[in-house]
Amino acid sequence: DIQMTQSPSSLSASVGDRVTITCRASQGISNSLAWYQQKPGKAPKLLLYAASRLESGVPSRFSGSGSGTDYTLTISSLQPEDFATYYCQQYYSTPGTFGQGTKLEIK
Amino acid sequence: EVQLVQSGAEVKKPGESLKISCKGSGYSFTSYWIGWVRQMPGKGLEWMGIIYPGDSDTRYSPSFQGQVTISADKSISTAYLQWSSLKASDTAMYYCARLGGVVVVPAAPYDYWGQGTLVTVSS
Repeated sequence: DIQMTQSPSSLSASVGDRVTITCRASQGISNSLAWYQQKPGKAPKLLLYAASRLESGVPSRFSGSGSGTDYTLTISSLQPEDFATYYCQQYYSTPGTFGQGTKLEIK
Repeated sequence: EVQLVQSGAEVKKPGESLKISCKGSGYSFTSYWIGWVRQMPGKGLEWMGIIYPGDSDTRYSPSFQGQVTISADKSISTAYLQWSSLKASDTAMYYCARLGGVVVVPAAPYDYWGQGTLVTVSS
């Protein structure tokens, strides 16, 4: 299985801040990387796929980058509704492993 | 509108069997892989397995192989996750989700999710 290591596991930030979350795969995954947002009591929501492609309807303050084994999710200017837990997932091969999650909290 | 609607919450005893469901609508059910994802209380997401309803091709994570069975009935656009003998450690929220794109190999992100089914196993 491909292991996905996400960091940090938690992050405190303020509205308007720029934040970055990173995800490292244990082997190259050829940009087959998705980012999800999950709010308490809700199902995850797809934000980005193919490392940098924004899912329809997702605000442009979310962006993704990376290649090979290292990927990042950036939120350019945090909004109150962005405080949630974020997960990366590789879908290069099955099982499509998830990172352990990053909880983004209000400072 | 694409929708995945899961069956309701379950409370079971250890050793009991269970089958939960996920009904798809608003798209061609047989053309998209459907997966199951576990989320234990306060924990992260775990990829359990996927099925292609068109031909019932099924793939399991090694962590879940032999522990659960994934199936689908394409005549009623429904996927299933079942246990033959539940354990307390199966207590979790279970989500079904559709792999985006009409793909032959299951290399796609999950673009639509069900609302989740909470399974509680307790004596």
